[in-house]
Amino acid sequence: AQTVTQSQPEMSVQEAETVTLSCTYDTSESDYYLFWYKQPPSRQMILVIRQEAYKQQNATENRFSVNFQKAAKSFSLKISDSQLGDAAMYFCAYRPLLGQGNLIFGKGTKLSVKP
Amino acid sequence: KAGVTQTPRYLIKTRGQQVTLSCSPISGHRSVSWYQQTPGQGLQFLFEYFSETQRNKGNFPGRFSGRQFSNSRSEMNVSTLELGDSALYLCASSLAPGASYNEQFFGPGTRLTVL
Repeated sequence: AQTVTQSQPEMSVQEAETVTLSCTYDTSESDYYLFWYKQPPSRQMILVIRQEAYKQQNATENRFSVNFQKAAKSFSLKISDSQLGDAAMYFCAYRPLLGQGNLIFGKGTKLSVKP
Repeated sequence: KAGVTQTPRYLIKTRGQQVTLSCSPISGHRSVSWYQQTPGQGLQFLFEYFSETQRNKGNFPGRFSGRQFSNSRSEMNVSTLELGDSALYLCASSLAPGASYNEQFFGPGTRLTVL
């Protein structure tokens, strides 16, 4: 069974600094998708960034980028120029390319941003 | 375009009762997934519906059930409520299970408290 592990329950970053959230996963599949979701205190989960496993290039969305290491099964999220609005729970998620459409989530990392 | 809506937003029930939660997906989305979120277990997949058919089911007891209507709206039902059913129940919609990325858009959730 596929699993997703986020080893940092809480992280803190100074405003305007850079922070990296870690995620590892376990799967026997060769093709799959990986996602980072953000859940602010208002509870609405939103997609931050996604990565297809068959793409070598790391995904980037404005201040958010990932470091995808397929062989190591690692998928970290880097937030540059952190802003107060980045404070939230961040969830790493996995979905196989074929078959089941549901997401498998890690336990999440609570990110605090200090002014 | 309106987002995913869930009703009610908050519910308080007592043990032994049953509850029905509703989810209206984004217009044009035909796939609906349900997740349970608790502090201890994190986000766990309940079930996925597409075209009124359950495609996939998570590891939950039979007290948890769901259905999808012809307009893609979905309901989930929990019978004989237990204290451990207290959770945030999230609904997510997507175009279809096989769509590219199958990006899931989440609703704000229904907070269920069982006393």
